[in-house]
Amino acid sequence: DTEVTQTPKHLVMGMTNKKSLKCEQHMGHRAMYWYKQKAKKPPELMFVYSYEKLSINESVPSRFSPECPNSSLLNLHLHALQPEDSALYLCASSPPRGDKLFFGSGTQLSVL
Amino acid sequence: EDKVVQSPLSLVVHEGDTVTLNCSYEVTNFRSLLWYKQEKKAPTFLFMLTSSGIEKKSGRLSSILDKKELFSILNITATQTGDSAVYLCAVGRNYGGATNKLIFGTGTLLAVQP
Repeated sequence: DTEVTQTPKHLVMGMTNKKSLKCEQHMGHRAMYWYKQKAKKPPELMFVYSYEKLSINESVPSRFSPECPNSSLLNLHLHALQPEDSALYLCASSPPRGDKLFFGSGTQLSVL
Repeated sequence: EDKVVQSPLSLVVHEGDTVTLNCSYEVTNFRSLLWYKQEKKAPTFLFMLTSSGIEKKSGRLSSILDKKELFSILNITATQTGDSAVYLCAVGRNYGGATNKLIFGTGTLLAVQP
């Protein structure tokens, strides 16, 4: 299984809502990533988890809260988002210190 | 500041043409350079290069890295409409511990017309 699965595929939420994005992989990878991609822009790194510990936070606002419950799962909890947070949120995984990232299909998020 | 720059930003060609996409970088603690293809959502892996001057090849696609001049090229020969996509260049750097970090370039949008 070389897949990274993200749910939901699409999400529309209001600025007062709380929602969560989910990501799962069964490749035994111990590093997992959240990227944010705006239209016609490259992916921008948000968070990196290595061995279930947060190792990189790219100064992301606290309205985004990552969680890694175990080595296969990665969540991104969303609260009080702004319309400018609308984007494609991509999850990825890799072996520790591995350079090749495997990406999920993303969650297309719209904040109204 | 780490920087990855791709050129051209966009390109329109006809089926059968050969294209060359460029990626230059200025990244501290360089580890690798990767090429991805992004058609709709998930970027899919094409190549990873770590050594200078060694060409990687897969079918009609090939890529090479020049670590002295800090650039890479991606060649696509005999292009097909299915090659239409955004091609992303990313550079991996050491970030300490067990963590790697990919820095993406701006991407090249390739459109192949029939």
